[in-house]
Amino acid sequence: RKEVEQDPGPFNVPEGATVAFNCTYSNSASQSFFWYRQDCRKEPKLLMSVYSSGNEDGRFTAQLNRASQYISLLIRDSKLSDSATYLCVVEGYKLSFGAGTTVTVRA
Amino acid sequence: NAGVTQTPKFQVLKTGQSMTLQCAQDMNHNSMYWYRQDPGMGLRLIYYSASEGTTDKGEVPNGYNVSRLNKREFSLRLESAAPSQTSVYFCASSDSRVLEQFFGPGTRLTVL
Repeated sequence: RKEVEQDPGPFNVPEGATVAFNCTYSNSASQSFFWYRQDCRKEPKLLMSVYSSGNEDGRFTAQLNRASQYISLLIRDSKLSDSATYLCVVEGYKLSFGAGTTVTVRA
Repeated sequence: NAGVTQTPKFQVLKTGQSMTLQCAQDMNHNSMYWYRQDPGMGLRLIYYSASEGTTDKGEVPNGYNVSRLNKREFSLRLESAAPSQTSVYFCASSDSRVLEQFFGPGTRLTVL
């Protein structure tokens, strides 16, 4: 079983829509969680950390469910510029990266 | 402030050839990393260096060697390239006190 699993998508949504997707992790001892964003043929960049209580950053909301071992990312009022691949990253004894969920926002 | 830089951006090798990928960071970070990214797979750690003078194997170190030349530079060497090493290689760095990693633009390597 992979340490971090993501639905690869693609999630194809119209501008203004809300899109949400999850990431599951296998190591119950994991302590830190992150979402990175990767544009096509570019390097990954940190989007946001995920805190136990959940957190928001503008239109982005991240949640952590330790009992079911998953984290989620919700994007409200999607913009064309949100089109990217979103990588789930989990820190246990090392950082483990998911393969990414691709989101395409159409006009 | 350039962040993390990598050279070259693209490279095509023949099986058995050798090459070195260069990485440098100007953020005074202690930790540096080399990853490879393949379609349908997450970034996989090849080697990392927690501080100047130390290197450790990651998840997929076979076929690679590294050198932490100084605090700024961390190079990755392929001694005898194989088609299975066709991939996109990313270098990253982080302050050892926090976990955010900053990535370079990547090197797209094809081994024929």
